[in-house]
Amino acid sequence: KAGVTQTPRYLIKTRGQQVTLSCSPISGHRSVSWYQQTPGQGLQFLFEYFSETQRNKGNFPGRFSGRQFSNSRSEMNVSTLELGDSALYLCASSFGTSGGAHTDTQYFGPGTRLTVL
Amino acid sequence: DAKTTQPNSMESNEEEPVHLPCNHSTISGTDYIHWYRQLPSQGPEYVIHGLTSNVNNRMASLAIAEDRKSSTLILHRATLRDAAVYYCILRGGMNYGGSQGNLIFGKGTKLSVKP
Repeated sequence: KAGVTQTPRYLIKTRGQQVTLSCSPISGHRSVSWYQQTPGQGLQFLFEYFSETQRNKGNFPGRFSGRQFSNSRSEMNVSTLELGDSALYLCASSFGTSGGAHTDTQYFGPGTRLTVL
Repeated sequence: DAKTTQPNSMESNEEEPVHLPCNHSTISGTDYIHWYRQLPSQGPEYVIHGLTSNVNNRMASLAIAEDRKSSTLILHRATLRDAAVYYCILRGGMNYGGSQGNLIFGKGTKLSVKP
């Protein structure tokens, strides 16, 4: 079974630009979560989508947004990029239903490395 | 989700067992204990999880204290490929909404394996 894929793997943007990252979940998974990883803050939760609806949201500004399509693929968008947005953006997929949140295993992609100059 | 405390770093020799501790003194009765690890330049990967009883899988074993205030991830024979940051995470509740649906990562333990 194919794993979680993320595209592109690397991106370089300049301040003020916007960027869109893509995530294709494992087949059959309906939940997609996004995380930001930086050396200073570690891994932080951005948001989760399930059945095309945002079900959960972390503490990030409105410049960070996402969406999910009917095939469970997800995109996240960051507008008006700032230097501090340079990070590894990770996507994770899971079934999102079976057994409840406390036992729902998340499977992570390799991440997209975003550099903002 | 309740907080966990892990050592910042640990060292191990190749082919020896490794015991990675995690303290979670404020764990609630419905919190599951999850372990994920992140190898260099990769996304985190699931290792194991448990509630009360000790658990084993092909990757590791999870030993949970009787009072559930601490747990230990056991790698029976460390290999160079096990060098990673290991995260102990508590996940509580059935609901996906609010803070329960996502993973809350701490700093984790950076495990180094010497040949």
